[in-house]
Amino acid sequence: SQQGEEDPQALSIQEGENATMNCSYKTSINNLQWYRQNSGRGLVHLILIRSNEREKHSGRLRVTLDTSKKSSSLLITASRAADTASYFCATDWNQAGTALIFGKGTTLSVSS
Amino acid sequence: DTEVTQTPKHLVMGMTNKKSLKCEQHMGHRAMYWYKQKAKKPPELMFVYSYEKLSINESVPSRFSPECPNSSLLNLHLHALQPEDSALYLCASSHTLDRGAGNTIYFGEGSWLTVV
Repeated sequence: SQQGEEDPQALSIQEGENATMNCSYKTSINNLQWYRQNSGRGLVHLILIRSNEREKHSGRLRVTLDTSKKSSSLLITASRAADTASYFCATDWNQAGTALIFGKGTTLSVSS
Repeated sequence: DTEVTQTPKHLVMGMTNKKSLKCEQHMGHRAMYWYKQKAKKPPELMFVYSYEKLSINESVPSRFSPECPNSSLLNLHLHALQPEDSALYLCASSHTLDRGAGNTIYFGEGSWLTVV
């Protein structure tokens, strides 16, 4: 079963617009990670945020984490057609954090 | 670009065949993983190896048999599969299993398996 639930399931925007995806999870975590997956390809690691961090930036990506609400958001600013992909949040599979468990993902479509 | 290499990229096999998926990493990672992903679904954990020893088997049917011959290689042996086993099989690795240290898991491009 999935630990995280992404919202929305699908998002369509125009190039240049910002895209926001949300992730909620159920149990306490050590870290939360976001991954991107282009159609039929492997998962690309985007960003990791630790449980004691509230916000993290990487290029056009901004991730927030609210452990009290068990939620995270991924903001992609000034989106490009190349950002079209599925985005997954991933949290600890168990308390020891031995592996990752993935949310259902958000499919982002950016049109030019 | 990923530093986890998976072969083959595509595999078609009959239900009576025996085949293997291979995964290699040269990042010095000591934890390696197999995930299975069906179309439009998230990846699901199958196996976890730590220091070449099986750490987690997520109730995977015995027709899937993992093997970790050394710290750089991870194989998934396939035998008597069913059509519903058709999926993208993803290999991944991380420095160790210690998630608390902010340990990132890196994925390969996957092997597309079709069982006919």
